[in-house]
Amino acid sequence: QSALTQPPSASGSPGQSVTISCTGTSSDVGAYNYVCWFQQHPGKAPKIIIYEVTKRPSGVPDRFSGSRSGNTASLTVSGLQPEDEADYYCSSIAGSNNFVFGTGTKVTVL
Amino acid sequence: EVQLVESGGGLVQPGGSLRLSCVVSGFTFSGHWMHWVRQAPGKGLVWVSRIKYDGSTTSYADSVEGRFTISRDNAKRTLYLQMNSLRVEDTAVYYCATRDYFDNWGQGTLVIVSS
Repeated sequence: QSALTQPPSASGSPGQSVTISCTGTSSDVGAYNYVCWFQQHPGKAPKIIIYEVTKRPSGVPDRFSGSRSGNTASLTVSGLQPEDEADYYCSSIAGSNNFVFGTGTKVTVL
Repeated sequence: EVQLVESGGGLVQPGGSLRLSCVVSGFTFSGHWMHWVRQAPGKGLVWVSRIKYDGSTTSYADSVEGRFTISRDNAKRTLYLQMNSLRVEDTAVYYCATRDYFDNWGQGTLVIVSS
């Protein structure tokens, strides 16, 4: 149950785009469509922003998009806004009864 | 509106026990899998445990297997986590979350294991 690998940090200026990777294996990210992304502001609970690799829950801006290539999933935040500054985590099912989260990425809006 | 409210956290000595609760409202609790996730201070999210909607199937992270027990009472719309043989490294905020998408989260309850 090793954590999925994410870059520790990413940054961009307002209006720019930032992409965060989430690298797993053929037993988790590459095997199932249960890849999700979460946004967490300091002191707050995580909030889901992407589920099933590419889908956005209602109320999540379309600036957030998800994709996957092989064993690596990605989250892109387009048109960065100050409120997007937060920690971001990916997750995946890992087998029939296990789940795993990513190591987390701190996004800074310059 | 879906609401999840955790409780039961606190300070406990190594080797001690705690039982966490998570009361759910605004959601068809009895129809969905539920999870516990934890986050050590300044660290990332870590999946802890999962339980089927009828309580018949459970699974655990290796780090808590044999020490923690997840359960639920659908009549009370409540999820539980019984934590035994607690270790310093179990110190974390514990969140309950809905479904395999973790699409709703509580505010968390802090567990501190220290002598």
